[in-house]
Amino acid sequence: GENVEQHPSTLSVQEGDSAVIKCTYSDSASNYFPWYKQELGKGPQLIIDIRSNVGEKKDQRIAVTLNKTAKHFSLHITETQPEDSAVYFCAASRIWGGADGLTFGKGTHLIIQP
Amino acid sequence: EADIYQTPRYLVIGTGKKITLECSQTMGHDKMYWYQQDPGMELHLIHYSYGVNSTEKGDLSSESTVSRIRTEHFPLTLESARPSHTSQYLCASSDMQNYGYTFGSGTRLTVV
Repeated sequence: GENVEQHPSTLSVQEGDSAVIKCTYSDSASNYFPWYKQELGKGPQLIIDIRSNVGEKKDQRIAVTLNKTAKHFSLHITETQPEDSAVYFCAASRIWGGADGLTFGKGTHLIIQP
Repeated sequence: EADIYQTPRYLVIGTGKKITLECSQTMGHDKMYWYQQDPGMELHLIHYSYGVNSTEKGDLSSESTVSRIRTEHFPLTLESARPSHTSQYLCASSDMQNYGYTFGSGTRLTVV
């Protein structure tokens, strides 16, 4: 089955700086790579996703890049703000949208220092 | 505004008790999922459903069972709770267009 590795487990950055979280996956048949943000006391919320035929996708301050050959993908957050503090999860699945279940990384605690 | 609801929010129960965690969604989504989230925050798929009368086991072996009699309802049952079942349980749903998952806020279960 799929195995998703996520690094770092904790990331502390100064407000206004950029943050990068990296993930690798093992199943070459994976085609869908979403990122979720989980705030304290809430369920994870989808923030951006990318499919395997796209190398990069942006949405305001967040972007995701995918290297299918190397089987890794990354989340980039620019101009970080206090409300970006949360746990971020990457995930992968073979089917667009994760219909057969998503395999998640272990999560990254992102801390934005004022 | 969450359109997927989980009850109860918190539950403390004794060993050996039977419990049902409720999950309902009002979005008409066909696919639903249960994830177990351990204290280290890692998420493990335990059950999923493609639609009414469909249930599948996930990657993590679980002693729980699920049912899907109605599109909007996907309850999870533990016949005999044990301390090893202490965890957070997250329910999610997605639609045919597959625009990602919508998660509920979770049920934090403690078995004493």
